[in-house]
Amino acid sequence: GAGVSQSPRYKVAKRGQDVALRCDPISGHVSLFWYQQALGQGPEFLTYFQNEAQLDKSGLPSDRFFAERPEGSVSTLKIQRTQQEDSAVYLCASSMGVNSNQPQHFGDGTRLSIL
Amino acid sequence: RKEVEQDPGPFNVPEGATVAFNCTYSNSASQSFFWYRQDCRKEPKLLMSVYSSGNEDGRFTAQLNRASQYISLLIRDSKLSDSATYLCVGGVSGGYQKVTFGTGTKLQVIP
Repeated sequence: GAGVSQSPRYKVAKRGQDVALRCDPISGHVSLFWYQQALGQGPEFLTYFQNEAQLDKSGLPSDRFFAERPEGSVSTLKIQRTQQEDSAVYLCASSMGVNSNQPQHFGDGTRLSIL
Repeated sequence: RKEVEQDPGPFNVPEGATVAFNCTYSNSASQSFFWYRQDCRKEPKLLMSVYSSGNEDGRFTAQLNRASQYISLLIRDSKLSDSATYLCVGGVSGGYQKVTFGTGTKLQVIP
């Protein structure tokens, strides 16, 4: 398919474990975003990449959260020493350019549950 | 105050009704606006962009009121399939396209 692909679709981890979530954006899309969505809330911004450069990580809740996009395509969001409050849906979105007038295309998300 | 605010609803309307949602934004520098639709346990999908002059796509009409800093979405002749959460999005142009999502307005169309 030509859409944004995320894996795994579901992830269950024990508190304290590290997890890694993958995002494969639409081919050629320059911009890539990670969001966290809690139940009943809108997506909350975590971090933004323009190609391989992480231009904004102001939304990352703590230093346990780390994201990378080393070759400007696939991105990984890593959460270390997971806590129960990390349980949420993690959404990845990509867009073609860098202007705010261009819509973002979302992946299905990874539903993370921390036990 | 949240940067983008929406009434969470739910809005319960009968099939065929017209329903309107408003969304207010606090950042006067916001220049780009969108409405996304999100079905239960699915990802957000772009419904429509919101242009300064207002725009219409079939049964859906979006309007922007810069003076009062709100955008609106009007749905005419509601269908059962319109039941979803509608997310308002505002963006500021400034280096890159950071956008802020509202919490969403839930619509339930009843037979």
